Amino acid sequence: GQNIDQPTEMTATEGAIVQINCTYQTSGFNGLFWYQQHAGEAPTFLSYNVLDGLEEKGRFSSFLSRSKGYSYLLLKELQMKDSASYLCAVRASGGSYIPTFGRGTSLIVHP
Amino acid sequence: EAQVTQNPRYLITVTGKKLTVTCSQNMNHEYMSWYRQDPGLGLRQIYYSMNVEVTDKGDVPEGYKVSRKEKRNFPLILESPSPNQTSLYFCASSLSPVTGADYTFGSGTRLTVV
Repeated sequence: GQNIDQPTEMTATEGAIVQINCTYQTSGFNGLFWYQQHAGEAPTFLSYNVLDGLEEKGRFSSFLSRSKGYSYLLLKELQMKDSASYLCAVRASGGSYIPTFGRGTSLIVHP
Repeated sequence: EAQVTQNPRYLITVTGKKLTVTCSQNMNHEYMSWYRQDPGLGLRQIYYSMNVEVTDKGDVPEGYKVSRKEKRNFPLILESPSPNQTSLYFCASSLSPVTGADYTFGSGTRLTVV
């Protein structure tokens, strides 16, 4: 099985930088996703990492260390609209290949 | 526009009355799945399908059925809904279950069973 852990809630100030961590344990690894989800809406894709290192995409970056079972999502120049849940999901190799999601981190951005 | 379409968006029903939530994708994706999302529990897998006529159980399949008679459609069937199936449901699809980063979600169906 898989175990994915991320903080339940974080707060930050508009314009600041925030890092959301995700640790995972899986029997085989085949990629890690980050999604953003506003309340009551569908998750929207942010990033996908399958190799170690940092992937940068505008204000958002995602880092992966497979040996440590660790990833983080870095949000820069925070805006009020970034207040949302951020979901970490891991796809295991073999079996169903369906991504398994963590419980999500609720980010609150204050003015 | 490439998308995953779920219907209905909102549904209130009574215990025991059979219902179907439809899911359709126009991207020729092979891989489709259903999740339910509950406060504090996150997204949990119900069923998935790797191609036409190929379906399998996820983590919480009890009380649900699915079918995959054609590639684009993957309906979720609740034969006898119960209040503990009140939840927010999402359908998702992907071209490749192994390598695809194109995992796309529908808009969701909020189901209330009274």
